Amino acid sequence: DGGITQSPKYLFRKEGQNVTLSCEQNLNHDAMYWYRQDPGQGLRLIYYSQIVNDFQKGDIAEGYSVSREKKESFPLTVTSAQKNPTAFYLCASSIDPTTAPKGEAFFGQGTRLTVV
Amino acid sequence: AQSVTQLGSHVSVSEGALVLLRCNYSSSVPPYLFWYVQYPNQGLQLLLKYTTGATLVKGINGFEAEFKKSETSFHLTKPSAHMSDAAEYFCAVSRTGGFKTIFGAGTRLFVKA
Repeated sequence: DGGITQSPKYLFRKEGQNVTLSCEQNLNHDAMYWYRQDPGQGLRLIYYSQIVNDFQKGDIAEGYSVSREKKESFPLTVTSAQKNPTAFYLCASSIDPTTAPKGEAFFGQGTRLTVV
Repeated sequence: AQSVTQLGSHVSVSEGALVLLRCNYSSSVPPYLFWYVQYPNQGLQLLLKYTTGATLVKGINGFEAEFKKSETSFHLTKPSAHMSDAAEYFCAVSRTGGFKTIFGAGTRLFVKA
């Protein structure tokens, strides 16, 4: 079955540590996204990528980094510079919305990150 | 610029009652509109979407939404609520030539027995 896989489902980070969240898709989608979800705030875009080896900052990119070396993979690193990283992180993919904006986003099951 | 406003962060209905979740959008060009549902600790799942054509859109699980351009609205309805409908619902908008999908803040639906 095609879909998006995020791992791990739960992640605990100590103060000052970098952690990497994994996101893999087998939908052959060009575009991939990372969102952060906090209670009552909806989804906020962290980074997005339209094609391999290219990515753009979203609305809240500070303290995060990404890479897009393969079409299927879009890992997110939460760095120590992110002062309040505790949140639910969602990865999504879609066909390139600039050429096909009617296409919906497909979401992974999320990773819940907690700072301990 | 585009934006989405969902009226009411929490909505509570009795089982069997009408569900109405409100969504208003702003867009300078014809929008594409989506409703997603999220169950606890899970990702978002598409309920339905409006692109072009018929303004009344039917989705999964008995939900439907009507695009009203004059009111810039895309409200989500279901005639009879079921306990399994308890979840958070997000309205979203995108547009031709735009890259980002804009999500509303979400409405949490509670269903009382």
